[in-house]
Amino acid sequence: KAGVTQTPRYLIKTRGQQVTLSCSPISGHRSVSWYQQTPGQGLQFLFEYFSETQRNKGNFPGRFSGRQFSNSRSEMNVSTLELGDSALYLCASSLAPMGTGDSGNTIYFGEGSWLTVV
Amino acid sequence: AQKITQTQPGMFVQEKEAVTLDCTYDTSDPSYGLFWYKQPSSGEMIFLIYQGSYDQQNATEGRYSLNFQKARKSANLVISASQLGDSAMYFCAMRGVNFGNEKLTFGTGTRLTIIP
Repeated sequence: KAGVTQTPRYLIKTRGQQVTLSCSPISGHRSVSWYQQTPGQGLQFLFEYFSETQRNKGNFPGRFSGRQFSNSRSEMNVSTLELGDSALYLCASSLAPMGTGDSGNTIYFGEGSWLTVV
Repeated sequence: AQKITQTQPGMFVQEKEAVTLDCTYDTSDPSYGLFWYKQPSSGEMIFLIYQGSYDQQNATEGRYSLNFQKARKSANLVISASQLGDSAMYFCAMRGVNFGNEKLTFGTGTRLTIIP
């Protein structure tokens, strides 16, 4: 059974550019959530999608957006990149959306996408 | 709001010894789940073990067990017979059910180093 797949693994962008990261969840999983990890702020929740609908959003500026497709694959986009956006972006998938009964609703993460903004 | 506290920034343990990583949490949710993840230097967040707040027994997964003490709000990870490959960052996380708490909230992590 394939795990959560994130692409690209590494990328370098220039300030002001935009970037799109992709995440393919585990087969059958319909909930995809995104997290940003930095040395200073640790792991912070960006947003969650379930059945193509954004259900939850973290405290990030509007430059951070995402979407989910009918096959549950998800993309996140960051526009007008800033140096502070340099981070590891992690995607997680689960069967059911967040907030439902946790029994059996384990959350699995991908390998992450390392973004460096110069 | 919910909060996870990991008080051990780093730990050094001799190979083959058991190790306990501490985690305490705070939440007002009636139901919640507790997770432990391992993150090697590659960045991947590897799921280790899960404990539901209403589970009667402590969770176990191979060499990993979770020492869940609900009244004390602690969820310590125990790794038996540590191996060199266990060297990594370890994160405790929780998820509630109330609005705003459904997302995973992580602790600051513990860097575990296994010494040969």
